[in-house]
Amino acid sequence: GEDVEQSLFLSVREGDSSVINCTYTDSSSTYLYWYKQEPGAGLQLLTYIFSNMDMKQDQRLTVLLNKKDKHLSLRIADTQTGDSAIYFCAESQRGAGSYQLTFGKGTKLSVIP
Amino acid sequence: DAGITQSPRHKVTETGTPVTLRCHQTENHRYMYWYRQDPGHGLRLIHYSYGVKDTDKGEVSDGYSVSRSKTEDFLLTLESATSSQTSVYFCAASRAGQMNTEAFFGQGTRLTVV
Repeated sequence: GEDVEQSLFLSVREGDSSVINCTYTDSSSTYLYWYKQEPGAGLQLLTYIFSNMDMKQDQRLTVLLNKKDKHLSLRIADTQTGDSAIYFCAESQRGAGSYQLTFGKGTKLSVIP
Repeated sequence: DAGITQSPRHKVTETGTPVTLRCHQTENHRYMYWYRQDPGHGLRLIHYSYGVKDTDKGEVSDGYSVSRSKTEDFLLTLESATSSQTSVYFCAASRAGQMNTEAFFGQGTRLTVV
């Protein structure tokens, strides 16, 4: 499958903004996702963006998409300790019977009080 | 978790034994998936199902089989467990296998093969 790449770790101070970056390689991907995984839990969808959009904002979350460079970013404003988690970038790819999600390795966000 | 339950949540088994993990959903999602999560690898797709009795292989299917006899249940079987299959396994389900595949995840099963 196509690769989705993310940096593995990010540390920020409480109240600062966090920016988590992701690159993908499948130019046919039409939906790109950010999932959050808290310790000991499954993944929860945070937000997604359709490939004809450049930006999507949802409260403290801003997703930026540069389709030319196949670069996706997630900005969390006013980062809180509760934002500490692993964040996965994912793209939707067509398989034999359905679309599937291909995930990056995840970025572990640590928020320093 | 949108009505997705995995069982067991934790299991320790011996090398060479068969193991079956169960995923049960209550939302009538057509599509179901099994992933494994390992440090440094993120989530990798093992098998998926796009309907009752319709399954296909994912990226890391060797050593695993699946069955879907009912919409609500998707079983993952390790025919003969190996230590390399020690991992956290996640089941997911989605309403439709279309481009906007929002997937809902279970809480995970931590499997240790000794």
